[in-house]
Amino acid sequence: KQEVTQIPAALSVPEGENLVLNCSFTDSAIYNLQWFRQDPGKGLTSLLLIQSSQREQTSGRLNASLDKSSGRSTLYIAASQPGDSATYLCAVRGGGATNKLIFGTGTLLAVQP
Amino acid sequence: DADVTQTPRNRITKTGKRIMLECSQTKGHDRMYWYRQDPGLGLRLIYYSFDVKDINKGEISDGYSVSRQAQAKFSLSLESAIPNQTALYFCATSDPQSGNTIYFGEGSWLTVV
Repeated sequence: KQEVTQIPAALSVPEGENLVLNCSFTDSAIYNLQWFRQDPGKGLTSLLLIQSSQREQTSGRLNASLDKSSGRSTLYIAASQPGDSATYLCAVRGGGATNKLIFGTGTLLAVQP
Repeated sequence: DADVTQTPRNRITKTGKRIMLECSQTKGHDRMYWYRQDPGLGLRLIYYSFDVKDINKGEISDGYSVSRQAQAKFSLSLESAIPNQTALYFCATSDPQSGNTIYFGEGSWLTVV
């Protein structure tokens, strides 16, 4: 059974710092991996999607990497801003017949001005 | 207008009552999902539908039922609500033709008292 873990559960950094959020998964047979942002009481906004054949994806100050063999993904946020404060979730989609999206429990990020 | 719309956004109901959460989407996607989110447990899949005639149970379907009335509409019902069904419920859609990025609604807060 696929399990997705995100460490740390919470992170507080000063504004301007570069930071890395971690996501690990137990079954490397994935179809893709997606990073989301969730603001309090809101839905999830997709940030980046990495297909299983890709190693990384970039969008603005965000860079996500994927290492299937080790079951890891990282989300790198450059020059963090208070507006980046949110919960970040990763989710892996299984390959083949399962094709289900399994979520981690998220990392709550607070960027201090 | 949002691509994925959930109604109601907030509801308080009593134990034993039947409640329906509705979801409609304008993205034209065949695949639709219902998740619930609980603190510390992340998002868990309740039901998913790959088209109008294809409905499948997710991880935690007990106590829930769904109806796919049309490609654009997917409703979730709690036949007899109980307090441990108090959670934030999300509807989502995806399209395998576009990399299977998943799009979420804003969520429906349900409190069972």
